[in-house]
Amino acid sequence: DTEVTQTPKHLVMGMTNKKSLKCEQHMGHRAMYWYKQKAKKPPELMFVYSYEKLSINESVPSRFSPECPNSSLLNLHLHALQPEDSALYLCASSYLPGQGPYEQYFGPGTRLTVT
Amino acid sequence: KNQVEQSPQSLIILEGKNCTLQCNYTVSPFSNLRWYKQDTGRGPVSLTIMTFSENTKSNGRYTATLDADTKQSSLHITASQLSDSASYICVVSAAAGGTSYGKLTFGQGTILTVHP
Repeated sequence: DTEVTQTPKHLVMGMTNKKSLKCEQHMGHRAMYWYKQKAKKPPELMFVYSYEKLSINESVPSRFSPECPNSSLLNLHLHALQPEDSALYLCASSYLPGQGPYEQYFGPGTRLTVT
Repeated sequence: KNQVEQSPQSLIILEGKNCTLQCNYTVSPFSNLRWYKQDTGRGPVSLTIMTFSENTKSNGRYTATLDADTKQSSLHITASQLSDSASYICVVSAAAGGTSYGKLTFGQGTILTVHP
């Protein structure tokens, strides 16, 4: 099974709401990633978890809060977002982070709209 | 600064025709180069990954080439199908020390449209 699943597929939230995005993989991968993708742009890395520890935070605003409860799950908690945060949020995983041609498997994404 | 540039930005071809997409990069030190296909509103799907020592890799009708000396790669699509319509993204991974994350640098993508 080479699948990364993400829920929900679509999310509409107000600027005062709190919501969470979920990501799951059962490939035994030890690295998991959150990306943000705006229309017609490439994905932008937000966070990297390596062995369930946050290893990279690409200067993401604190209104985005990642969490890795275990090696298969990755959450992204959202609070007080702005309309410009509307985007496709992609989760990915790889066998290991770092060196080597480790394939990154992407989930289908969550389409987030902030009103 | 690590950069990946792709050309053309967009391409329209007729079904059954071949096409070639280009990728130039300045990422250093180089670890590997990947080509992804991304359908609109979906996550990217890997087509190929090539390391420094590989100069050609195929995946069905997709063939990627890599020239590490000139820092260029190409993706050739043979006998195109309507389902090939998508964005094709070139991604280069920088080598990193130890188990540190090797940062991926994404190109802007080439939008391919295949017409019947």
